Amino acid sequence: GQQLNQSPQSMFIQEGEDVSMNCTSSSIFNTWLWYKQDPGEGPVLLIALYKAGELTSNGRLTAQFGITRKDSFLNISASIPSDVGIYFCAGQLRTSGSRLTFGEGTQLTVNP
Amino acid sequence: DGGITQSPKYLFRKEGQNVTLSCEQNLNHDAMYWYRQDPGQGLRLIYYSQIVNDFQKGDIAEGYSVSREKKESFPLTVTSAQKNPTAFYLCASSSLAASYNEQFFGPGTRLTVL
Repeated sequence: GQQLNQSPQSMFIQEGEDVSMNCTSSSIFNTWLWYKQDPGEGPVLLIALYKAGELTSNGRLTAQFGITRKDSFLNISASIPSDVGIYFCAGQLRTSGSRLTFGEGTQLTVNP
Repeated sequence: DGGITQSPKYLFRKEGQNVTLSCEQNLNHDAMYWYRQDPGQGLRLIYYSQIVNDFQKGDIAEGYSVSREKKESFPLTVTSAQKNPTAFYLCASSSLAASYNEQFFGPGTRLTVL
């Protein structure tokens, strides 16, 4: 199947630092989604992006839909301990119907 | 409350037994999905359904079966043919009314085969 390259795989930061992660692909996507998963729970949708170039914020989170439609990034500002978890990007291809392609996740650890 | 429920949260089975995982949603969503997640890995699609009485294989359908007799329900059976069934299983749903496919997830079922 299609692949999304998500990086970094893991991050260890101090509380208060800003964080950036991204997803890239060789394919063109119609939609980009960012999810957060806490241990033992299902992923929760953080931000959805629908148009190339779109920049959307949700509190301390900001995500952008790349101009080429092949990438997206997520920034977290002023991190706090509850930001710990796994962050996944997901994209919807024009040709894949309702299916999503998921990245492998970024494990974020925040040290108080 | 509207949402997606999965039961049970933890499930233990002996090797060679079939087991069925429940997924119910009251969001009136058209589409439902089953994913498998292994430690430190992303989500892999097992099966999905966009309409009642119809479903399609995902990337790792071998050893699994599903049914969609009601819009609200999409149970997954892990059969004895699945070589390595121990994993975290996630159900999701989405509306097909809009062009955007925002999938919403249930809390997951952790299956351990002994």
